[in-house]
Amino acid sequence: DIQMTQSPSSLSAAVGDRVTITCQASQDIGNYLNWYQQKPGKAPNLLIYDASNLEAGVPSRFSGSGSETDFTFTISSLQPEDIATYYCQQYDNLPITFGQGTRLEIK
Amino acid sequence: EVQLLESGGGLVQPGGSLRLSCAASGFTFSSYAMTWFRQTPGKGLEWVSVISGSGSTTFYADSVKGRFTLSRDNSKNTLYLQMNSLRAEDTAVYYCARMGGYCISTSCQTVELRPTDYWGQGTLVTVSS
Repeated sequence: DIQMTQSPSSLSAAVGDRVTITCQASQDIGNYLNWYQQKPGKAPNLLIYDASNLEAGVPSRFSGSGSETDFTFTISSLQPEDIATYYCQQYDNLPITFGQGTRLEIK
Repeated sequence: EVQLLESGGGLVQPGGSLRLSCAASGFTFSSYAMTWFRQTPGKGLEWVSVISGSGSTTFYADSVKGRFTLSRDNSKNTLYLQMNSLRAEDTAVYYCARMGGYCISTSCQTVELRPTDYWGQGTLVTVSS
């Protein structure tokens, strides 16, 4: 199985801050990497697909980059509604696997 | 509007069975592979199973292989997850999700991994005596 190592596990930032989350795959996954946002009691919501493509309707302050084994997710200017847990997900091979999540809080 | 609505969760004793359903609307159901994930506080998000658009191809996580069966009824736009020999470690919120990527004709017989673009709200399964 492909292991996804996500960091940090939690993060506290102020409104307006730039926030960065990283995800490392245990082997080359090309660009088959997605980022999800999950709010309490809700299902995950796709934000970024194929490492760097913004899903329709998602604000442009969210972005992603990377390929092969190293990936980055960025919120350019943190907003109060961005408080959530964020997950990376690889779909290069079955089983599909996720990072352990990053809980984002407002400072 | 794409909607996925899971049902069938609940409390079941170890060794028991449960069938989850996922009713889909707002898209051509038979043209998309569908998948199930589950989530627990301890183990996070875990992929469970995937099925092709036609229903002819399925794959399972090792943790559920031989116990869970995924099927679909394209005439009813509904996905089913039959869960047998349930264990305490199967306790989780179960989500059905659509795998993006429209399939056509023979391509609907295979599973092409794609981003999971729509998820249901989830249904809680608790396995406990």
